[in-house]
Amino acid sequence: SQTIHQWPATLVQPVGSPLSLECTVEGTSNPNLYWYRQAAGRGLQLLFYSVGIGQISSEVPQNLSASRPQDRQFILSSKKLLLSDSGFYLCAWTFRDTQYFGPGTRLTVL
Amino acid sequence: AQSVTQPDIHITVSEGASLELRCNYSYGATPYLFWYVQSPGQGLQLLLKYFSGDTLVQGIKGFEAEFKRSQSSFNLRKPSVHWSDAAEYFCAVGARGGYNKLIFGAGTRLAVHP
Repeated sequence: SQTIHQWPATLVQPVGSPLSLECTVEGTSNPNLYWYRQAAGRGLQLLFYSVGIGQISSEVPQNLSASRPQDRQFILSSKKLLLSDSGFYLCAWTFRDTQYFGPGTRLTVL
Repeated sequence: AQSVTQPDIHITVSEGASLELRCNYSYGATPYLFWYVQSPGQGLQLLLKYFSGDTLVQGIKGFEAEFKRSQSSFNLRKPSVHWSDAAEYFCAVGARGGYNKLIFGAGTRLAVHP
């Protein structure tokens, strides 16, 4: 069966520090992958999606970037975090036209 | 413009009461419709989905939803709510194929009184 992992589960980082969040999918190949952010009291905002290795599309210009170095690995990064980067980050993948979500990473920028 | 509207930000029901969460969408193509549930600090769990066919779809945890094309609605229902149903519920619309971009509603937070 397919599973999706995210780590770390929680992260507290100072403003200006770098960021790397990782998402991996098991049990499938060449999935579409997505990064969402959920800010406090707000809905889900699609940040990036990827249809294959090295193929990244950005939905919203921002302080973040994404990479897909391997088929089932999706990484969200930042060189310098801002306070506004705080939120709950969710990775998702698509199977048979349905998106399935990982457990999320809670990021607090202080 | 493509959008999903969940008119109710917060809903409170008593345990054992029936529940209906509303979802209206605006979408140019034939929609694929989804309901997800999110418990605090957790990811989103798929409750049910509608692609085609029978407009009344059954999901997990005793939930069902009805697609009404004429009303552009996909309301979620449960005949008897349990305290464990307290969570946030998201309606989403997408299309088949491509990169399967979903448009989400803002969510409805459900509280359940004992």
